Amino acid sequence: DVKVTQSSRYLVKRTGEKVFLECVQDMDHENMFWYRQDPGLGLRLIYFSYDVKMKEKGDIPEGYSVSREKKERFSLILESASTNQTSMYLCASTGGVQGGNTIYFGEGSWLTVV
Amino acid sequence: AQRVTQPEKLLSVFKGAPVELKCNYSYSGSPELFWYVQYSRQRLQLLLRHISRESIKGFTADLNKGETSFHLKKPFAQEEDSAMYYCALRRMDSSYKLIFGSGTRLLVRP
Repeated sequence: DVKVTQSSRYLVKRTGEKVFLECVQDMDHENMFWYRQDPGLGLRLIYFSYDVKMKEKGDIPEGYSVSREKKERFSLILESASTNQTSMYLCASTGGVQGGNTIYFGEGSWLTVV
Repeated sequence: AQRVTQPEKLLSVFKGAPVELKCNYSYSGSPELFWYVQYSRQRLQLLLRHISRESIKGFTADLNKGETSFHLKKPFAQEEDSAMYYCALRRMDSSYKLIFGSGTRLLVRP
């Protein structure tokens, strides 16, 4: 079974803090994604990566950056957390055609910024 | 621009009643459509995709290109179907990123 693991399930951070959200997948997938999930807004794509050290902005990249130094790991960084970044963050990965294009999700990281 | 619309935030039905969760999309090319489901305290998971044309857990969805719709249907709802359902679109000529609708919460009452 594909496994996408998000290391932190629940975090509480202060405004202005730097926050790291880590995601690891164990299926050698090329493509990894970070989404933000908010009630009434669904899932919105923040950033995605199609290879090591490669990244592209999604629909709402402002206030976020990412890092992909190894194929299995994709990190989301909030340089200076703000209260409007309180949300559920979902990591996902897919291997593309070989994997049937199915995208697999992690369990999510609940971030509260106070 | 691509967009996925799920007009209902909440759909409440009684056990055994038919269910239809609506999904409309806007995209000028050929899309790939999916339904994802998130049960309480579980991760988001793929329910079905239009390419497969299969029935999963009694759910079906047909892509109607004329109406640009991909509604999810089940003839007899069960309590365990209560969950959050997301419709998603992926461009066939693009990267593997998905565009999601805002989601519909299905509540099946006993």
